[in-house]
Amino acid sequence: KAGVTQTPRYLIKTRGQQVTLSCSPISGHRSVSWYQQTPGQGLQFLFEYFSETQRNKGNFPGRFSGRQFSNSRSEMNVSTLELGDSALYLCASSLGTGTGTYEQYFGPGTRLTVT
Amino acid sequence: AQRVTQPEKLLSVFKGAPVELKCNYSYSGSPELFWYVQYSRQRLQLLLRHISRESIKGFTADLNKGETSFHLKKPFAQEEDSAMYYCALFDNYGQNFVFGPGTRLSVLP
Repeated sequence: KAGVTQTPRYLIKTRGQQVTLSCSPISGHRSVSWYQQTPGQGLQFLFEYFSETQRNKGNFPGRFSGRQFSNSRSEMNVSTLELGDSALYLCASSLGTGTGTYEQYFGPGTRLTVT
Repeated sequence: AQRVTQPEKLLSVFKGAPVELKCNYSYSGSPELFWYVQYSRQRLQLLLRHISRESIKGFTADLNKGETSFHLKKPFAQEEDSAMYYCALFDNYGQNFVFGPGTRLSVLP
């Protein structure tokens, strides 16, 4: 099976702009989660989508949003970018349907730099 | 609130020495616990999960509900074990993962 893919791999934006990141899960996985990884804060959960519905959300401002399509692909959007949004954004997929199916498979990440 | 702590940011051991990476959690229920590993220039990947009671690459981890711990152990460390290790808890109520801050393991020759 192909692994989780994320595009683009690297992105440079300026403050105030918006950005959209994309994630394609492993075939058959219906759950997609997004994380922000920074040296100072580590891995922080953004949100999780399952069957096109946001099932859970972390403690991030409303500038961070996402969606999931019927083929389970997911996008994450950050509006009005701030310098502090510079981070590695990781996407992870899982079956997400019950005990023993929540183990997550991670993509390589998108490195976002805000200048 | 659900929380995962890993007290050591960096752990250095010599090749062939035993290694133990500590993980403690707070969770009001039956936790599902995992260890993830990130080798240099590679993506984060699952190492092992407590429900499988498996040994992967010589690593084992035992869930101790009394001490709320899930420490990762290996009797003889290898240089290729050098990586960042994250302990994670799956919150069945919130349906999301909570990751610890990670421990960087450095195995010296």
